[in-house]
This record gives sequence, C-alpha cells and structure tokens, in this order.
Amino acid sequence: DGGITQSPKYLFRKEGQNVTLSCEQNLNHDAMYWYRQDPGQGLRLIYYSQIVNDFQKGDIAEGYSVSREKKESFPLTVTSAQKNPTAFYLCASSPGRGRTDTQYFGPGTRLTVL
Amino acid sequence: QKEVEQNSGPLSVPEGAIASLNCTYSDRGSQSFFWYRQYSGKSPELIMFIYSNGDKEDGRFTAQLNKASQYVSLLIRDSQPSDSATYLCAVIGYNQGGKLIFGQGTELSVKP
Repeated sequence: DGGITQSPKYLFRKEGQNVTLSCEQNLNHDAMYWYRQDPGQGLRLIYYSQIVNDFQKGDIAEGYSVSREKKESFPLTVTSAQKNPTAFYLCASSPGRGRTDTQYFGPGTRLTVL
Repeated sequence: QKEVEQNSGPLSVPEGAIASLNCTYSDRGSQSFFWYRQYSGKSPELIMFIYSNGDKEDGRFTAQLNKASQYVSLLIRDSQPSDSATYLCAVIGYNQGGKLIFGQGTELSVKP
C-alpha cells in the first residue's frame, strides 16, 4: 500500500517532556510538511522540507524541531518549550513540483498534555 | 485581512440540493487552488485542484476559479448526508515555494 503513515495515533505527554511524532511516506515524494490544527481552526504550518537534509521553519516553529535524514521520513519533536502543545498534528507530503504541487495528508496524531 | 478566507458556517442544505462553498484570497499572484474535505476527527483528503480560470468538474463536484475577483468556489450537486464535513480551501501563492495557505474551513451539514 502506498501512502503516508503517522504514529502514534494518540499521544499523551506530561509537562516538561519532549515527545517525537513519526511520519513516513512511501510515495517517493520529495517534499514533506508538518501542520498543527486546533479545534475549529485551519491548518498552520510548523516545518517543511523540500529535500533530504534540508528543512525550513513554517509559521509556528517555536518549540518544535525536525530532521530529514531520509527521503521517506520526517519526524517532529515537540519540546518542553512548546507551551500549548495539545493539538491535532498532521503530516503531509507532495511530489515537490512547485506551483502545481499537491499535498496529501497522513491520518494524524492527536497530542494531549496531561 | 486573512490570506485565505472562508465562511465558517455551518452551511445547512437539504439532501439532493446544491451546496455552494466559497473562498476568497488576498494574494493576486496565487497560482494553484485546492479543496480538501475533512470529516470530524480525521485528516484532510483532497477533493479537487484547479489552476486555470473557469470551471472544473469531477463527478458531483465542480470547482470554479475567478482570478480577477480572487475567489474560488466548490459546488456539490445532489448533496448527500455523507458529504457533511468541513471543507478547507487552500492556495499556493506566488513565490511560496509550494507552501499551502489554508482557510479556516466551512462546515457543511446535509440534512436527510
């Protein structure tokens, strides 16, 4: 099956903990993205990567970190510096073809801070 | 002014009717336009994309783009209760490097 997988589906974090969300794709897409969605709101871009070993900050990168060591993997770490991390986290990937690029989403990880 | 604006709704239509969802954008140089459907608690799924002015049809869905007026719409014909979801409009602006800008979404409710 081709697609994007995210794990875990649900994640609970204690105050002061760092947690890492997994995102894997086997679509051979060059670009990968992380978004955050809060209730009743649209998606906000956290980080994105258009090529292996390179990534850029999105609109709300503070308190998050990423790596892109392999084309198919783009893990997101939510650090203790992120003061309000409870949200629905969505990973997406796209072929990376500029203005006609189309993004496809994984199933998401719901993070709750206890 | 928000970069991509949608009415949050909810928009309620009876089963079998046409649902019309609208989206406006502020960047006149925007290149590509996307509609995603998101069921409650699930991730967005792509419905349609449109790049050129005019209409694009795919089954019961029609996307309409008017770059002069900076709006894009999605029409759903013969609406079904299973169409009840939040519809997200997304735009790639000029020189955005593929970054999508999302509207807040319009909640659609189709009543049997």
